[in-house]
Amino acid sequence: RKEVEQDPGPFNVPEGATVAFNCTYSNSASQSFFWYRQDCRKEPKLLMSVYSSGNEDGRFTAQLNRASQYISLLIRDSKLSDSATYLCVVNQAGTALIFGKGTTLSVSS
Amino acid sequence: EAGVTQFPSHSVIEKGQTVTLRCDPISGHDNLYWYRRVMGKEIKFLLHFVKESKQDESGMPNNRFLAERTGGTYSTLKVQPAELEDSGVYFCASSSLTDRAYEQYFGPGTRLTVT
Repeated sequence: RKEVEQDPGPFNVPEGATVAFNCTYSNSASQSFFWYRQDCRKEPKLLMSVYSSGNEDGRFTAQLNRASQYISLLIRDSKLSDSATYLCVVNQAGTALIFGKGTTLSVSS
Repeated sequence: EAGVTQFPSHSVIEKGQTVTLRCDPISGHDNLYWYRRVMGKEIKFLLHFVKESKQDESGMPNNRFLAERTGGTYSTLKVQPAELEDSGVYFCASSSLTDRAYEQYFGPGTRLTVT
C-alpha cells in the first residue's frame, strides 16, 4: 500500500466549476499535511498547509480527517490558471515530505 | 528574497559517467533536502541535511550516490557511475530550522538523462 494515495485524474472541468480532490495516507503518525501545486516541468510549490480544523485560502479549502486519515482540497470557481497537478503531501515534523503521485486538473474555457 | 537554486537545469550523460548536481538553499535555511522524481512515479525523498550534518539518508538508492554539504551552505549530489535508472528530475528543498520548519521550498530541479 502506498503511503499517500491520490486519484490521478485527469479532472477536466469548465471555468467556474467546483472540483474536489481526495487523498488518503497510511501512517497514523503523520503530523503535518500539505497540498502542493506543480506546473508542467516546474518545481512543486506549497499551496496550503492543512489543519484539523479545516482552512480556507480564497477559493481553496482544505480539510483533514485524522480518524479516517483523509485529506481533501476543494477549489471553487475554477480558473484557467488553476490547471496543474495537485500533490498531496504528508510528513512528521522536521523530516522528509512524502508525496502522492498527484492529481491532474485541466480547466477549460 | 532569492529562492532555492539548482545547477545545472539539465544534464545528459552516458551510462558510466559521473555527474554532480548543485543546490543553493534559501539563505539562512539550515534544513536542506534532496528529492527525486523518476518518470511515472511520485517524488521521493533521498536525504536530509541539518547544516553540514546528514540527518537522514535513508532514501539514498545505493552507494553510487554521494551527497555533501561542506560548511552548511550549498550542497552537491554526485552520481558515480551513472546508470540508466538514475534518469529523472532531482529536486532540492530547504526550510528554516526554527520558523515554520515544516514548510519546504523547492528549487527548479535538475533534469538528468542517462543514455
